[in-house]
Amino acid sequence: QQQVKQSPQSLIVQKGGISIINCAYENTAFDYFPWYQQFPGKGPALLIAIRPDVSEKKEGRFTISFNKSAKQFSLHIMDSQPGDSATYFCAARKETSGSRLTFGEGTQLTVNP
Amino acid sequence: DTGVSQDPRHKITKRGQNVTFRCDPISEHNRLYWYRQTLGQGPEFLTYFQNEAQLEKSRLLSDRFSAERPKGSFSTLEIQRTEQGDSAMYLCASSRGRDEKLFFGSGTQLSVL
Repeated sequence: QQQVKQSPQSLIVQKGGISIINCAYENTAFDYFPWYQQFPGKGPALLIAIRPDVSEKKEGRFTISFNKSAKQFSLHIMDSQPGDSATYFCAARKETSGSRLTFGEGTQLTVNP
Repeated sequence: DTGVSQDPRHKITKRGQNVTFRCDPISEHNRLYWYRQTLGQGPEFLTYFQNEAQLEKSRLLSDRFSAERPKGSFSTLEIQRTEQGDSAMYLCASSRGRDEKLFFGSGTQLSVL
C-alpha cells in the first residue's frame, strides 16, 4: 500500500522558472511532512518540512503548500537553477511511528540552463 | 558534525554469501535508522534504534536481516544468504531525537550477482 503518492515522476524546467512537485497522502495520522533532495551517489538531505497546523512554509526559494482537507502538499522551487537538478522526495511521519518516515516515489527534476 | 559515515560504499557479492555493513552516526545522536532504496524509488524504512535498543522493525526485515547497535554508537546491518532481490542502496540515518532533523549517510550500494 503506497501511503504517499508523488507526482510528476520527472520534471523539466527552464532556469528561472518555477518547479512544482505534488504529494498526496492517505493516513490522517501523519503529523510531519518533510521534503528531501537527493543527488546521485548521495543520501537524501532535508530541504524543508511542515506540520499540519500551518498551510504554508517558506525558506528561501523553497515553499511548501499544505492542504489538510485535501490531504495534499506540494513543493514549489522559485527561480529554479541548474544546481537544483536532483531527485526530490516527499515524506510523511505518524505521531506514533517513532520518527519512521514514509517516502514518496520521487521526482527527477532537471533545470535546463 | 562530521556527518553520518557508512562503510563500505559499494559491495558486490555472490548470491548466498553473507554481507555486513557499518554505520557511524553523528556523535551524540541517540537515534539511528536503516532504510533501503531501490533504483527509482524512495527509501523504505527497515529498522531503528534508540541508543542500543532496537525499537521497531519493518516487515521488510526478513529473518535473513539482523541489525545491532551494541553500545549505542555505531551500528551494523548483516544480510545472510543474500538474494538478487537484496540488491539496493542501504541508507543509514541518525537524529538527536524524535522531532529532530534526520541526517542520512551516502549509503552502501549492494549488488548481488
